[in-house]
Amino acid sequence: SQTIHQWPATLVQPVGSPLSLECTVEGTSNPNLYWYRQAAGRGLQLLFYSVGIGQISSEVPQNLSASRPQDRQFILSSKKLLLSDSGFYLCAWRKRGSYGYTFGSGTRLTVV
Amino acid sequence: GIQVEQSPPDLILQEGANSTLRCNFSDSVNNLQWFHQNPWGQLINLFYIPSGTKQNGRLSATTVATERYSLLYISSSQTTDSGVYFCAVGGASGTYKYIFGTGTRLKVLA
Repeated sequence: SQTIHQWPATLVQPVGSPLSLECTVEGTSNPNLYWYRQAAGRGLQLLFYSVGIGQISSEVPQNLSASRPQDRQFILSSKKLLLSDSGFYLCAWRKRGSYGYTFGSGTRLTVV
Repeated sequence: GIQVEQSPPDLILQEGANSTLRCNFSDSVNNLQWFHQNPWGQLINLFYIPSGTKQNGRLSATTVATERYSLLYISSSQTTDSGVYFCAVGGASGTYKYIFGTGTRLKVLA
């Protein structure tokens, strides 16, 4: 069966430090992958999506970047975190030919 | 871009009560999903329903695409139904980028 893993679950980072959040999917190949951010417990904002290795589309200009070095791996990064980067980051995947998303369990990031 | 509004923003129910959550969207969409986010943040896909009606146990959903709205019905609510319910809509196929609504926060009291 297909599963999605996201880690870490919680992260506290100082302003100006780098960030790397990882998401991996098991049990499928060539999925569409997505990074969302949720602030203040409401409303998810699409940050990046990827339809294949090395193919990244950015939805919102910001202090973050994404990469897809392997088919089932999606990484969210920042070189220098800002206070405004705090939030709940969720990775999702979609199987080709289907319509629904499956979300990972999320990473709660606090920038201090 | 597409605007997605959900109502009511907050809802408190006694266990056993029924409720209707509404999602309005500003433009034609090809895809629509309903999600439940539990108190721990996990998002669960409830329905994929770009049009028509679906039912799954105590939950059902109806989308009237021509009138740009969708409804989620919860019957005989339980405390485990608490959380935030999101409607998400998408247009173009291929990428399936979903735009999320503002959410309805539901609290079911025992």
